[in-house]
Amino acid sequence: ETGVTQSPTHLIKTRGQQVTLRCSSQSGHNTVSWYQQALGQGPQFIFQYYREEENGRGNFPPRFSGLQFPNYSSELNVNALELDDSALYLCASSLAGENEKLFFGSGTQLSVL
Amino acid sequence: GDSVTQMEGPVTLSEEAFLTINCTYTATGYPSLFWYVQYPGEGLQLLLKATKADDKGSNKGFEATYRKETTSFHLEKGSVQVSDSAVYFCALSYIGTGGFKTIFGAGTRLFVKA
Repeated sequence: ETGVTQSPTHLIKTRGQQVTLRCSSQSGHNTVSWYQQALGQGPQFIFQYYREEENGRGNFPPRFSGLQFPNYSSELNVNALELDDSALYLCASSLAGENEKLFFGSGTQLSVL
Repeated sequence: GDSVTQMEGPVTLSEEAFLTINCTYTATGYPSLFWYVQYPGEGLQLLLKATKADDKGSNKGFEATYRKETTSFHLEKGSVQVSDSAVYFCALSYIGTGGFKTIFGAGTRLFVKA
């Protein structure tokens, strides 16, 4: 059984650029959610995808968008990067109906200069 | 709005001491409550959960009881070990009109000394 994997592990971008982060769900999981974790803070919920559609969203602007693919892998896209977007981005997968049992990846550390 | 507040750290204890990490919440719905743990160099992992009032979640000697009347979900362990040193996050989740929602607290770092 493979766990949740995220790529890349580290990324450096400049303000105004666009970035795509990737996540492969744990085997058998059909729901994926994304989180932003600033240094010293708890994860903040960005959105969740189920059956390739957004299934819930936190307080993030539209420049944060996502995709879920038929194989349940997922992407997080962030347009017009701002300095405050620098953070650890976490992906978590779960089974539909078992949202409380999240399995997290190790994250992508994004630095915006 | 919905929120989770947990005690600030770091918390430093000696081995075999009693641990309490306080967590309170506000929510418009009827959330499930969780404790997640992040060991050094590792990803977040679910420690325990409770899905309704008066439920007690337990795992690895840790316990927390869902107290609706005090909107609390305090984490306790009777005798901590050095290996319990980690960051602990309290969280809630529910399905609302806008779909799935989850909120994490800021985390409490625990250091256990031998």
